[in-house]
Amino acid sequence: AQSVTQPDIHITVSEGASLELRCNYSYGATPYLFWYVQSPGQGLQLLLKYFSGDTLVQGIKGFEAEFKRSQSSFNLRKPSVHWSDAAEYFCAVGDGRNTDKLIFGTGTRLQVFP
Amino acid sequence: GAVVSQHPSWVICKSGTSVKIECRSLDFQATTMFWYRQFPKQSLMLMATSNEGSKATYEQGVEKDKFLINHASLTLSTLTVTSAHPEDSSFYICSARGMTSGSYNEQFFGPGTRLTVL
Repeated sequence: AQSVTQPDIHITVSEGASLELRCNYSYGATPYLFWYVQSPGQGLQLLLKYFSGDTLVQGIKGFEAEFKRSQSSFNLRKPSVHWSDAAEYFCAVGDGRNTDKLIFGTGTRLQVFP
Repeated sequence: GAVVSQHPSWVICKSGTSVKIECRSLDFQATTMFWYRQFPKQSLMLMATSNEGSKATYEQGVEKDKFLINHASLTLSTLTVTSAHPEDSSFYICSARGMTSGSYNEQFFGPGTRLTVL
């Protein structure tokens, strides 16, 4: 069965520090991978997605993620975190390009200290 | 990006009553809408998928008579929790997607509705 694991429940970083949020997936075929951010009172917003091609994908707000098939990972990174990045981050795997069914990880809460 | 709203943002009800949650796509026509449930410190779980004018498709383990979904228009879907009980207390999130065109079509998510059943 498809599954997504986000090993880190809560991460705290200082503003300006680099960030890496981990995501591992279990999927039998070529995965369609997504990262979403959820801020309080707002809906999930898509940060970036991977379908095929270049394994390093760029997203909005300065985020990037790298697909590593050998490690079944799709880690999210940002070189310098801003206080406004504090939020909940979800990794997800989709059944297809049209995201008919998204399987989400349990999320990682990011806290940013000034 | 496209905007999806939910109403109400939170609701408290007595056990045994029914609660209706609305999901609206404000600036696009949503041919498909999805309903998710999120427990504290857990991931979003897809409950059902609905296409405009059709009956919803429920995920395994989701009671369709308990969670009634109506998608009567291209901008509105409703989720009715019937005869709610405390175990139905949760955060309900909807998302909407426009007509597929062969290329990627993003799901846009609403802000969620917090349901508390006393």
